[in-house]
Amino acid sequence: EVQLVESGGGLVKPGESLRLSCAASGFTFSSYSMNWVRQAPGKGLEWVSSITTGSTYIFYADSVKGRFTISRDNAKNSLSLQMNSLRAEDTAVYYCARDGGNSRLGLFDYWGQGTLVTVSS
Amino acid sequence: IVLTQSPATLSLSPGERATLSCRASQSVSSYLAWYQQKPGQAPRLLIYDASNRATGIPARFSGSGSGTDFTLTISGLEPEDFAVYYCLQRSDWPLTFGGGTKVEIK
Repeated sequence: EVQLVESGGGLVKPGESLRLSCAASGFTFSSYSMNWVRQAPGKGLEWVSSITTGSTYIFYADSVKGRFTISRDNAKNSLSLQMNSLRAEDTAVYYCARDGGNSRLGLFDYWGQGTLVTVSS
Repeated sequence: IVLTQSPATLSLSPGERATLSCRASQSVSSYLAWYQQKPGQAPRLLIYDASNRATGIPARFSGSGSGTDFTLTISGLEPEDFAVYYCLQRSDWPLTFGGGTKVEIK
């Protein structure tokens, strides 16, 4: 059974940093690209970042480019999102999602339950 | 690419047919997916590449369209189908979601 478990969320002040993690199990992690998607309270879904299997290709939404860094450790079946210079508008539930698109990214076939990040003074 | 979903809210009774629309600001070919999200839960993949049902998705869910106009149809609403539905395009970066359609019980 595919499982994705996010951790690392919490309450931080504007300008601070936070690191999210996603522990994957039930599939060959190194064979799948991975993604982060977020959802502000009461709002819709927003794609944040994607990383290919060997970390060769990495993509970011403009809203987080230069502040967030996605990375993965295939030996530990783990995905991370380093978030710096956090802003109030980064407040959201952050989901880790597996990418089932073989030749084209963006097919989020399995999702974790999410971790809440709150940025407030 | 901007995805516009309509209507924002759909009020229907169990057993009725639901028709949800997703329109793209430019062609996304067939690279469009539909997701269902219930309160407090993560989204679930329903349809990918416009018309392919994901694993385990009931046959009452179907998708159609290509280019800029897409439709998700639920042929007979079950109580568990009342939720918010999102479309997502993966034709080009940045990946974008539509704003969602809430299907509520009338």
